[in-house]
Amino acid sequence: DTEVTQTPKHLVMGMTNKKSLKCEQHMGHRAMYWYKQKAKKPPELMFVYSYEKLSINESVPSRFSPECPNSSLLNLHLHALQPEDSALYLCASSQGDRGFLDEQYFGPGTRLTVT
Amino acid sequence: RKEVEQDPGPFNVPEGATVAFNCTYSNSASQSFFWYRQDCRKEPKLLMSVYSSGNEDGRFTAQLNRASQYISLLIRDSKLSDSATYLCSSSNTGKLIFGQGTTLQVKP
Repeated sequence: DTEVTQTPKHLVMGMTNKKSLKCEQHMGHRAMYWYKQKAKKPPELMFVYSYEKLSINESVPSRFSPECPNSSLLNLHLHALQPEDSALYLCASSQGDRGFLDEQYFGPGTRLTVT
Repeated sequence: RKEVEQDPGPFNVPEGATVAFNCTYSNSASQSFFWYRQDCRKEPKLLMSVYSSGNEDGRFTAQLNRASQYISLLIRDSKLSDSATYLCSSSNTGKLIFGQGTTLQVKP
């Protein structure tokens, strides 16, 4: 079973709101990722957590704040977003113990609209 | 220059055709390579990992040429359900870098 779940499926928020995106996997994977995908573009890496520690931050603005409460959960806290942050936010996970051989499995994404 | 480059297409082919996609990568330190399939407004789904020895899964064959720094995907006997965007990706220390994607439309 290679299932990664994400909630909510859709989110509309104003620029002054605070919201959170949630991601969960029960495959025993130890690495989790956040990607952002704009229309007709490929996914772009935002953050990587490895063994519950933030290992990569791709210079993402501080209005995006990741959190990994445990090895199965990954959150992305959103605050004071801009309309250009509207996109599909994808969570992925991988085993985390095969280094570069790790295959990443994606959740269905949260489609975010900032008004 | 983008780190991973693909011809965006679209590739329009009849059912039953054989179609090949190529992808080049610029980072010689890239360690592993993958093909993902993405349907409209859905998440990318892992199609195949790509190994130096090549690998085959049913109608799909993937090849890696490290000397020339390109990977390929061959789809034989195309089905209508193969219509999608195919993303190639390279990975170095866990960072997946995607190409722009190649759109395939299989027509009856």
